[in-house]
Amino acid sequence: DTGVSQNPRHKITKRGQNVTFRCDPISEHNRLYWYRQTLGQGPEFLTYFQNEAQLEKSRLLSDRFSAERPKGSFSTLEIQRTEQGDSAMYLCASSLGGFTEAFFGQGTRLTVV
Amino acid sequence: AQKITQTQPGMFVQEKEAVTLDCTYDTSDQSYGLFWYKQPSSGEMIFLIYQGSYDEQNATEGRYSLNFQKARKSANLVISASQLGDSAMYFCAMRELSQGAQKLVFGQGTRLTINP
Repeated sequence: DTGVSQNPRHKITKRGQNVTFRCDPISEHNRLYWYRQTLGQGPEFLTYFQNEAQLEKSRLLSDRFSAERPKGSFSTLEIQRTEQGDSAMYLCASSLGGFTEAFFGQGTRLTVV
Repeated sequence: AQKITQTQPGMFVQEKEAVTLDCTYDTSDQSYGLFWYKQPSSGEMIFLIYQGSYDEQNATEGRYSLNFQKARKSANLVISASQLGDSAMYFCAMRELSQGAQKLVFGQGTRLTINP
């Protein structure tokens, strides 16, 4: 396992459709994070899992967004009824413990048309 | 609330020169960590260097060093002997540690361009 893997890398969807992204963290990492990055900005925190428990959610995570990490391994981020404002890069990261660096995947770029 | 400020939207440097990327932060916490990440055009955030608030010595990792001035709340990244491959976006980030916070707060980034 060489790093955090995210699929798909790119997604184009029509407004109102649902989309789901997948993140496979580094295998021994128990912490998993989702961030969103819009053009010209730094990443913004969305949510965090420790093993399978979702422990923190940002106010950015509206009720159209849901994230899961069913067995403490991979995670999914679903956006329902997509809006144009959801167009962004969605980044996943993982870490071993809370006080170490987080390793990021290459992201999923979402375009809502 | 945590805040990271990167005041240089873009930097242009000649190859082999050293470059300093500025970062200031604001926190009321005594225990925190500061990170620098590099983001090439491929999109992946690549971890470069970490400085803990209680670390007395500036962190170094190869050509990267972090100029940590706690009283001024600054954590500038210094890249020595720049290379063409250093061209990318660079983000400073902070995590407050004492409250068990897990999220990283990022600045807006600096786009570094290395000219041959």
